Amino acid sequence: GAVVSQHPSRVICKSGTSVKIECRSLDFQATTMFWYRQFPKQSLMLMATSNEGSKATYEQGVEKDKFLINHASLTLSTLTVTSAHPEDSSFYICSAREGTDYGYTFGSGTRLTVV
Amino acid sequence: GQNIDQPTEMTATEGAIVQINCTYQTSGFNGLFWYQQHAGEAPTFLSYNVLDGLEEKGRFSSFLSRSKGYSYLLLKELQMKDSASYLCAVREIYNFNKFYFGSGTKLNVKP
Repeated sequence: GAVVSQHPSRVICKSGTSVKIECRSLDFQATTMFWYRQFPKQSLMLMATSNEGSKATYEQGVEKDKFLINHASLTLSTLTVTSAHPEDSSFYICSAREGTDYGYTFGSGTRLTVV
Repeated sequence: GQNIDQPTEMTATEGAIVQINCTYQTSGFNGLFWYQQHAGEAPTFLSYNVLDGLEEKGRFSSFLSRSKGYSYLLLKELQMKDSASYLCAVREIYNFNKFYFGSGTKLNVKP
């Protein structure tokens, strides 16, 4: 089946620094990938849709200058959390659609802790 | 907007059957998904319903009633490894790739 690899799985960074999270589709091409955020005991919230070769589409309330998304190839999207603050600590998950009507595969997630 | 409701937590016994309900209120509907999520891991796909009725897949079944804005996930012959959170998600009609997730139902399976 389709596999989406996300790296790193865990990261701890100091407040004010930037962190980059990678999302790769391993055995299929994904023109569109999605970035979600999940706070403890809350639902997954879509942050942005990453489009290969064009600008990402951000959901309302998500700061595009803080959460930089780059989708430079058909198999890689990156999310950079810039000038991270403790309130950005969360579980970030990417997903990609692999072609079928219901084929959305999630990455394994990244636990970000900002201290 | 979308409003997805599901119970916060449920407990069941190994070998039993459990039904997890999901109700939704949406401005548009283009399919309902169920995902399983173990703590600290990514969700994995369980089922997809776009028409009314029951979809069966092994020990897991999912039901949809669009007129009632209601779905359930049925888990049979529960195993300890089924202890996880189960997420109900509705796909938007105007954006084929946009999902609204419920906050998840944590299922505890006890011996």
